[in-house]
Amino acid sequence: AQSVTQLDSQVPVFEEAPVELRCNYSSSVSVYLFWYVQYPNQGLQLLLKYLSGSTLVKGINGFEAEFNKSQTSFHLRKPSVHISDTAEYFCAVSKGTNAGKSTFGDGTTLTVKP
Amino acid sequence: DTAVSQTPKYLVTQMGNDKSIKCEQNLGHDTMYWYKQDSKKFLKIMFSYNNKELIINETVPNRFSPKSPDKAHLNLHINSLELGDSAVYFCASSQDSTEAFFGQGTRLTVV
Repeated sequence: AQSVTQLDSQVPVFEEAPVELRCNYSSSVSVYLFWYVQYPNQGLQLLLKYLSGSTLVKGINGFEAEFNKSQTSFHLRKPSVHISDTAEYFCAVSKGTNAGKSTFGDGTTLTVKP
Repeated sequence: DTAVSQTPKYLVTQMGNDKSIKCEQNLGHDTMYWYKQDSKKFLKIMFSYNNKELIINETVPNRFSPKSPDKAHLNLHINSLELGDSAVYFCASSQDSTEAFFGQGTRLTVV
């Protein structure tokens, strides 16, 4: 079975500062990795995904993540955050052929302050 | 045109009642899911249907029963509601390993 650990439950940052949200996973097989964002009172929206190929993945809203197989990590980064990036961020791992059957991390609350 | 839509968005009901949440997807996906998000925002899969057939049934009380009349719909019926059932329930759909598309959620409050 796979598991996901998001190392920070809350990350407060100032506007225009860089941010990194950390995610480690464990699995005995190859996996697919995802980052989702959940804005207040909304559903989850895909930010980016790693299926194969280049380990640096670019997503929407200026986010990117790097897959590191040796460290079993998939950290999410953004060089300069905006107030509108305030949201809950979920890392997820799937080993199956359906992305919906994913194991989600416990989430990281990103709060961007002016 | 909403890809995955759930109704209702909010549901307040008394303990012991029976309620249903409906979900429809217009993406043509074969697989649909129900997730539960608790008050601490932990997200956990409950059920998965593929082409109207149940393929995942996690440890969920049998008061929860999913029903899929066709592959575009997956409804969730809950009998004898309890206080602990209060949560946000998300419907999702996916096709292969690309990504899962989530509905806006149904906030269920049991009083």
